Amino acid sequence: EIVMTQSPATLSVSPGERVTLSCRASQSISSNLAWYQQKPGQAPRLLIYGASTRATGIPARFSGSGSETDFTLTINSLQSEDFAIYYCQQYVDRWTFGQGTKVEIK
Amino acid sequence: QVQLVQSGAEVKKPGASVRLSCKTSGYTFTNFGVSWVRQAPGQGLEWMGWISVDNGGPISAQKFQDRVTISTDTSTATVYMDLRRLTSDDTAVYYCARDVRWDVAVAGVWGQGTLVTVSS
Repeated sequence: EIVMTQSPATLSVSPGERVTLSCRASQSISSNLAWYQQKPGQAPRLLIYGASTRATGIPARFSGSGSETDFTLTINSLQSEDFAIYYCQQYVDRWTFGQGTKVEIK
Repeated sequence: QVQLVQSGAEVKKPGASVRLSCKTSGYTFTNFGVSWVRQAPGQGLEWMGWISVDNGGPISAQKFQDRVTISTDTSTATVYMDLRRLTSDDTAVYYCARDVRWDVAVAGVWGQGTLVTVSS
């Protein structure tokens, strides 16, 4: 099973800041990487797939990069509605999710 | 618009089975696969399986292979997931999710979730 490791576990930031979240795969997954956002009590929301393709309706401040084993989700100018938990997920061999990174208000 | 509406909350005893449904609308049912993902209280996301609606071939996570069955009813555009031999560890919110594109098996549209509580 491919293991996905996200870092950090928690990120304390102020609105307006730029945020970088990391995700590492235990083996190469090419660009088969997705990012999701989840707020309390809600279903996850797809942000990025194919490592860098924004899903429909996702603001341009969200961007994804990386390939093989190392990936990054960047949120430029963090908005109040962006405080949430973010998960990465590989889909090259079945699916596995990372454990999540919580972005909280500093 | 695309919608996935899941069945209501369930309370089950240990050892029992549960069948969850996911009724889809707003798109051509046979063009997209559907996955099931669960989330235990306070925990992360866990993928359970996926079904290709056009050829009916389900794929399950190894952890659930002997306990889960995913099926479809094309006539009602509904996807089902059966989970057997429930334990307290199966207490979770269960989500269904449709692929974002016909050729990309990533969860693009999610149902609202179904809470399953397993308790004696």
